[in-house]
Amino acid sequence: QSVLTQPPSVSAAPGQKVTISCSGSSSNIGNNYVSWYQQLPGAAPKLLVYFNNKRPSGISDRFSGSKSGTSATLDITGLQTGDEADYYCGTWDSRMSSLVFGGGTKLTVL
Amino acid sequence: QVQLQESGPGLVKPSETLSLTCTVSGDSISSYYWSWIRQTPGKGLDWIGYIFDSGSTNYNPSLKSRVTISKDTSQNHFSLKLTSVTAADTAVYYCARLRGSWGDAFDMWGQGTVVTVSS
Repeated sequence: QSVLTQPPSVSAAPGQKVTISCSGSSSNIGNNYVSWYQQLPGAAPKLLVYFNNKRPSGISDRFSGSKSGTSATLDITGLQTGDEADYYCGTWDSRMSSLVFGGGTKLTVL
Repeated sequence: QVQLQESGPGLVKPSETLSLTCTVSGDSISSYYWSWIRQTPGKGLDWIGYIFDSGSTNYNPSLKSRVTISKDTSQNHFSLKLTSVTAADTAVYYCARLRGSWGDAFDMWGQGTVVTVSS
């Protein structure tokens, strides 16, 4: 299993808001920055959030990240069918001396 | 616009060496960090390692004994070698640009290449 824990799936209706959680420990999320990635079906991952809550140029403000203690969250507002994808969190783990990812969360827009 | 493109054999025999190359356009590999990541079927992402702009490397401890990442600045590409492969190494392999100044975020990715380990 992954070092970072994400729910396997979440779902919500179009227009609604969904929150995806990423739980870790002091050796990873607790003391390092978190990034979030979106992977559309058949595509490579795409960076949505870095530095816990910064968005790269071109990423919609419907996507927002936050971190508190050893957990991080990704909020997606105004859900669209095009948001259906797998979402991954990632960070550095100081104990493992390794970059690590969560197991991924599949978002379904009902 | 920065683009990354993986290339290499799609089929590798067990116990042999997997070799992939990532060609970068629109940016120089003399800057930033460049990484390899893999994704096994139906599973999540697994960081393999990266090479610094200085040429030094950092590998996932779980793969360190089998991995070598190198780069050719004149060709603007970097490469992955993974020795003694088994079926467990079957995956989609991605190359990506790592922004250390962005808190270790992968901001650009290749499209990925499927590698199957089978006799």
